[in-house]
Amino acid sequence: ETGVTQTPRHLVMGMTNKKSLKCEQHLGHNAMYWYKQSAKKPLELMFVYNFKEQTENNSVPSRFSPECPNSSHLFLHLHTLQPEDSALYLCASSQDYAGVGEQYFGPGTRLTVT
Amino acid sequence: GENVEQHPSTLSVQEGDSAVIKCTYSDSASNYFPWYKQELGKGPQLIIDIRSNVGEKKDQRIAVTLNKTAKHFSLHITETQPEDSAVYFCAASQWGSNYQLIWGAGTKLIIKP
Repeated sequence: ETGVTQTPRHLVMGMTNKKSLKCEQHLGHNAMYWYKQSAKKPLELMFVYNFKEQTENNSVPSRFSPECPNSSHLFLHLHTLQPEDSALYLCASSQDYAGVGEQYFGPGTRLTVT
Repeated sequence: GENVEQHPSTLSVQEGDSAVIKCTYSDSASNYFPWYKQELGKGPQLIIDIRSNVGEKKDQRIAVTLNKTAKHFSLHITETQPEDSAVYFCAASQWGSNYQLIWGAGTKLIIKP
């Protein structure tokens, strides 16, 4: 595997379920990101991890819980979600977190909350 | 905080013609402006970027221009081809500090055969 991989690619869950999204980067990068992508809206940065430490949390509801066990893996734990949380969730990585520099994105997880 | 406006939301051009996508930003301290291309079923991919110390940058058929006074920057694609069909995102940030990328809402580019 090369680049940034995400699993699962598609997920349907009820509002009372608990699920997790997984991201893995094979690029040797130190920073990893979770974004939410909704149709015709700007990408919304949710969380940033730099050297496994969370550096940004953009007022994300507590029903989204990130975890970064090492610099190659990033998880997003989901529980008691709302229908408006349905979106494409993108993981990205970059060499370091300096707000700039190329970010490498995974293909995303299409989440549907029923 | 920074705000990035992107226009148009959809652009349809004939194959072989040129396409121009425009973005404006609000924070005059922004000095880094990347463009990302997102193909169907994939994540965004950086295609070109520019820093505020230059006014234009080219890479084969794509170019980006920056007007710092007016606080807008544009993506130009010449001789469009079917593989240019995608959603394009502009973004703005400040180089060298822990500032987030602020993204535009995207432009869906359709290349008509």
